[in-house]
Amino acid sequence: AQSVAQPEDQVNVAEGNPLTVKCTYSVSGNPYLFWYVQYPNRGLQFLLKYITGDNLVKGSYGFEAEFNKSQTSFHLKKPSALVSDSALYFCAVRAKTGANNLFFGTGTRLTVIP
Amino acid sequence: EPEVTQTPSHQVTQMGQEVILRCVPISNHLYFYWYRQILGQKVEFLVSFYNNEISEKSEIFDDQFSVERPDGSNFTLKIRSTKLEDSAMYFCASSPGARTGGTDTQYFGPGTRLTVL
Repeated sequence: AQSVAQPEDQVNVAEGNPLTVKCTYSVSGNPYLFWYVQYPNRGLQFLLKYITGDNLVKGSYGFEAEFNKSQTSFHLKKPSALVSDSALYFCAVRAKTGANNLFFGTGTRLTVIP
Repeated sequence: EPEVTQTPSHQVTQMGQEVILRCVPISNHLYFYWYRQILGQKVEFLVSFYNNEISEKSEIFDDQFSVERPDGSNFTLKIRSTKLEDSAMYFCASSPGARTGGTDTQYFGPGTRLTVL
């Protein structure tokens, strides 16, 4: 079975400080991993994905994420948070073999404090 | 930049009524999906659709649900007899194609909020 855990419902960070949103996953075999962001009254916007290769992947709006196979983690990071980064962030996983559907975490609400 | 669009943005219906949620996937995409998000809960997969047939479906996608691609642009989700517990945000998504397999990024629409009274 595939699953994603986002252990923090809420993350608060001061503007200009680095941010981390945590994600761990469980999947049979190797994973494909994704981060999406949801702004109020908007759909899910794709940020970045890990497929293979370099464990550090860079995405939109200055976000990056590091794939750690031994810890089964894919934490989202940004060196310097902006107030406009405040949103709901979802981690998702699918296995390399099998169905294409994504399994999502419960989401982490990021608040960047001015 | 091409986007997935969904209509309506909000649908209110009475329990037992049929509803049709509409989506226009990104043109030239070949895979289409429906997901739902009950308020305060995670986004859950309902169904995927490729080459004019369902390719995968979840346990949630029971006989009251159906999907259709009635023409070259629309992708619809029909709920035959709505229940209170069907109240949720329904997201449509599309991805480029089978050749890239699971590396495809799924692009999501803004969602339709369904309220069943």
